[in-house]
Amino acid sequence: GAVVSQHPSWVICKSGTSVKIECRSLDFQATTMFWYRQFPKQSLMLMATSNEGSKATYEQGVEKDKFLINHASLTLSTLTVTSAHPEDSSFYICSAKEDPLYTGELFFGEGSRLTVL
Amino acid sequence: QKEVEQNSGPLSVPEGAIASLNCTYSDRGSQSFFWYRQYSGKSPELIMSIYSNGDKEDGRFTAQLNKASQYVSLLIRDSQPSDSATYLCAVNKGAAGNKLTFGGGTRVLVKP
Repeated sequence: GAVVSQHPSWVICKSGTSVKIECRSLDFQATTMFWYRQFPKQSLMLMATSNEGSKATYEQGVEKDKFLINHASLTLSTLTVTSAHPEDSSFYICSAKEDPLYTGELFFGEGSRLTVL
Repeated sequence: QKEVEQNSGPLSVPEGAIASLNCTYSDRGSQSFFWYRQYSGKSPELIMSIYSNGDKEDGRFTAQLNKASQYVSLLIRDSQPSDSATYLCAVNKGAAGNKLTFGGGTRVLVKP
């Protein structure tokens, strides 16, 4: 299957700093990528849909000025958590759909665990 | 009402038995349905996808879809300890390419 790579796998930062997480589709092009967040013992919650060459679409309740998404190429989307606070500590997972032969499946990255001190 | 509902479990099954997981969804227009397995601390991995009513079998896994009842299930035959994980039901409400909505997940424990 298609491979989606996320980096870093885990990151610890101080409150008030910004953290960037990268999501790459390694062997396919992805016009659309999705960013999810998962708190302990909870399910995945969609944060935003990242579209190559255009602005991301954010889900209700997600602050777009805090979670900056850039999808500058067909293989790379980045999520930047700005001015991170302890409540932003979570497991962030990206996923992508393959162009143009999209079968309905999403391929997930390995996830990035963020801890804000 | 949640868009995608699952029993949180844990569902405890003895090794070799059949594990039966259920999922209901609220949007009657949903078109694509997926089961993902997620081990603790890891990201989800796709187990099964199903798009039309009926059964779909893949190895020890069988997905069942009933759109009239807005119900999708997953059977795991000959359960193994390695099947112990959280199983997430996901629904695509629109045409292919739209976002997935996940259920809360069912935790499965397979006891040797």
